[in-house]
Amino acid sequence: SQQGEEDPQALSIQEGENATMNCSYKTSINNLQWYRQNSGRGLVHLILIRSNEREKHSGRLRVTLDTSKKSSSLLITASRAADTASYFCATITGNTPLVFGKGTRLSVIA
Amino acid sequence: NAGVMQNPRHLVRRRGQEARLRCSPMKGHSHVYWYRQLPEEGLKFMVYLQKENIIDESGMPKERFSAEFPKEGPSILRIQQVVRGDSAAYFCASSPPSGGLQETQYFGPGTRLLVL
Repeated sequence: SQQGEEDPQALSIQEGENATMNCSYKTSINNLQWYRQNSGRGLVHLILIRSNEREKHSGRLRVTLDTSKKSSSLLITASRAADTASYFCATITGNTPLVFGKGTRLSVIA
Repeated sequence: NAGVMQNPRHLVRRRGQEARLRCSPMKGHSHVYWYRQLPEEGLKFMVYLQKENIIDESGMPKERFSAEFPKEGPSILRIQQVVRGDSAAYFCASSPPSGGLQETQYFGPGTRLLVL
């Protein structure tokens, strides 16, 4: 069954606004990763956050992890048109492979 | 350092033919993963290989699909007697020797398979 579920499924914002995407999962995890996929392209790794971490930053990206709620959020600040893409969370549990959600499709309008 | 390479980028096959998808991992990476993505869906894990070994094939269909990662050369995902339902994007990822499943995976651009 699907482990990570992103919310919302689609998000449309104006350039310069912040975009927040959420991911919920069902079982305990070792780590959670966020990826970006531009239309028709491969995935690009954004951030990995381990189960004992609560927040990580990378440039305009901020990821939080709440293991008590089994949820994570990805915040993109000051969004740009180039941020338009699908964003996926993926979880690792034990020695099981990455399990991806269906993604959030972000559109940033210039 | 070149990234993960996949070829071909696009592949068209008729029903019943064979499809061979190739993946060259990043230099120094010894772990390879194959995923399948249907339109508007996330990636679904298929198989995890190390050199000359299949570590986890729990996501591979039982029939017609096979994968290998030989000592020399790229990893190959082989689909025999393709059917229309095999049409999808197939992505390969690699990771370094340390960490395996727990570490970041680097993805290739994918092969888009269309079965007519």
